[in-house]
Amino acid sequence: DTGVSQNPRHKITKRGQNVTFRCDPISEHNRLYWYRQTLGQGPEFLTYFQNEAQLEKSRLLSDRFSAERPKGSFSTLEIQRTEQGDSAMYLCASSHLGETYGYTFGSGTRLTVV
Amino acid sequence: KQEVTQIPAALSVPEGENLVLNCSFTDSAIYNLQWFRQDPGKGLTSLLLIQSSQREQTSGRLNASLDKSSGRSTLYIAASQPGDSATYLCAPAGTASKLTFGTGTRLQVTL
Repeated sequence: DTGVSQNPRHKITKRGQNVTFRCDPISEHNRLYWYRQTLGQGPEFLTYFQNEAQLEKSRLLSDRFSAERPKGSFSTLEIQRTEQGDSAMYLCASSHLGETYGYTFGSGTRLTVV
Repeated sequence: KQEVTQIPAALSVPEGENLVLNCSFTDSAIYNLQWFRQDPGKGLTSLLLIQSSQREQTSGRLNASLDKSSGRSTLYIAASQPGDSATYLCAPAGTASKLTFGTGTRLQVTL
């Protein structure tokens, strides 16, 4: 169990470019979550997967955002045509299926759009 | 919609003090509640997980209590140390274990 791994740790991109982040969850965890955190705020829910199925998306996730979890293993979060307002820390977490289990978070990917 | 409030927003204490961080939430229909620690620019580290049927959990110098009916949780830190300096976040879990976070309590423990 090596924990939840996120790559890259930091990403600086120009406005209008596309970016993709990757999350590798704990291998036996069925559920995978993406959250976004801006400076001075708590994380906000974006979307979650149960195995390979994306079961819920927040209204925060505009149509420029897309997430996948092929084969129920790692997940990717892509942002198209980035805007300065997309600058934030993107956090991934995983957990076992079932509401009695807690989360394990990764270290996050910090995105800066210039 | 769940809303979470954490008080105080910031706290500075001398080393060795015992302290209490407060968390309140508006929707008592939760499955569990987690307390996390976040160091500047880093991810979240889970400290304690309390199931909805439990009243408290302890880990070392940390003790968390939960009163689901009144929508309150507290995190007690005994004998604080400079290494405890961080932001502390509470997060109740609703359906599909989605977490709702407050803005946290920023703790500084001074020598």
